[in-house]
Amino acid sequence: AQSVTQLDSQVPVFEEAPVELRCNYSSSVSVYLFWYVQYPNQGLQLLLKYLSGSTLVKGINGFEAEFNKSQTSFHLRKPSVHISDTAEYFCAVSRYNFNKFYFGSGTKLNVKP
Amino acid sequence: DAGVTQSPTHLIKTRGQQVTLRCSPKSGHDTVSWYQQALGQGPQFIFQYYEEEERQRGNFPDRFSGHQFPNYSSELNVNALLLGDSALYLCASSLEATQRPDTQYFGPGTRLTVL
Repeated sequence: AQSVTQLDSQVPVFEEAPVELRCNYSSSVSVYLFWYVQYPNQGLQLLLKYLSGSTLVKGINGFEAEFNKSQTSFHLRKPSVHISDTAEYFCAVSRYNFNKFYFGSGTKLNVKP
Repeated sequence: DAGVTQSPTHLIKTRGQQVTLRCSPKSGHDTVSWYQQALGQGPQFIFQYYEEEERQRGNFPDRFSGHQFPNYSSELNVNALLLGDSALYLCASSLEATQRPDTQYFGPGTRLTVL
């Protein structure tokens, strides 16, 4: 079975500061890894994904994440956040050939002016 | 190209009632998955439909059932509603032939409130 742990339920940060949202997963098989963003009263939008290849993946809105197999982590980073990045971020895993996601409990990013 | 659409946007029901939520997949997609997102939690997989049959199911009771129509649209039915069924219900569509989860697209969700 797969599981996802997002260690921080809330992350407050000032505008233009860097941010890291942490995600750890457990799985006995190879997985695909994803970060989704959810703005208030909206559905999920894909930020970025790791399927294979380079462990550093870049996504939309200046976000990037690094896959670390030995630490089973997939932390999300942005060097300089904006007010508009205020949202909830979900880490998710899915097995290859298995169209089903396991989501973490989410991290609320609150960017302050 | 329309993405995944869901209806209604919001719904209020009372305990014991039954509810039906609807989802139209992205054009060209043939597989529909449903997720429940309770307040303060991540989405939880309910079930997935392909070729009008349920082929995967998460840890949800039989009160949760679904249907997929020949045009690939889908319904989620919940019977004997409980207060704990209050949540955002998300629909996601994908293309079976690709067998790649990164091709899934999520709809905006239906907010169900059970009083």
